[in-house]
Amino acid sequence: DAGVIQSPRHEVTEMGQEVTLRCKPISGHDYLFWYRQTMMRGLELLIYFNNNVPIDDSGMPEDRFSAKMPNASFSTLKIQPSEPRDSAVYFCASRRTGGTEAFFGQGTRLTVV
Amino acid sequence: GQSLEQPSEVTAVEGAIVQINCTYQTSGFYGLSWYQQHDGGAPTFLSYNALDGLEETGRFSSFLSRSDSYGYLLLQELQMKDSASYFCAVRDQNQGGKLIFGQGTELSVKP
Repeated sequence: DAGVIQSPRHEVTEMGQEVTLRCKPISGHDYLFWYRQTMMRGLELLIYFNNNVPIDDSGMPEDRFSAKMPNASFSTLKIQPSEPRDSAVYFCASRRTGGTEAFFGQGTRLTVV
Repeated sequence: GQSLEQPSEVTAVEGAIVQINCTYQTSGFYGLSWYQQHDGGAPTFLSYNALDGLEETGRFSSFLSRSDSYGYLLLQELQMKDSASYFCAVRDQNQGGKLIFGQGTELSVKP
């Protein structure tokens, strides 16, 4: 298996623009997590899905952030409009039910200027 | 809610043993995991404890005491390549699959 695949790896955008981050989980994994990592706040859980259904989105910073999982093999995290404080590395991870290990993608490094 | 505490940084010399502690507070507890991250890359899984006691995997061991809400990661025979950030993470039973990370401990291994 290719592992968790995220795209793009790097994104530089101007303040106010819409940003869409993409994630393909490992086949057969029914949990999908979106995390944001910054020096100040560490690895924050933004939202997670089980069987394509959002279970807990309490970590989503504000209404500018939204996430979807239209099917078992694809998820998006959208920021609209983006702000400089959204600059961070965004990680997607997946896990199968009963598994103890979450597998992370390589992350998307987002810079909002 | 959940909170985890671990030291922000630890320094040790090659060949030594180092212990990274983690205390947690959570409304429900399912298990404690440890992850390693090199230079901002993808975090990778090291170990998982659901029950009290010690789990050993090669040079790495992890311990859990549920009654003390405490765990640690023990790294033996340190190597330069062990320099990385180490995160403890709790799996919240009330939420089922929720996985919350601590702030991470940056380990520097010196020659």
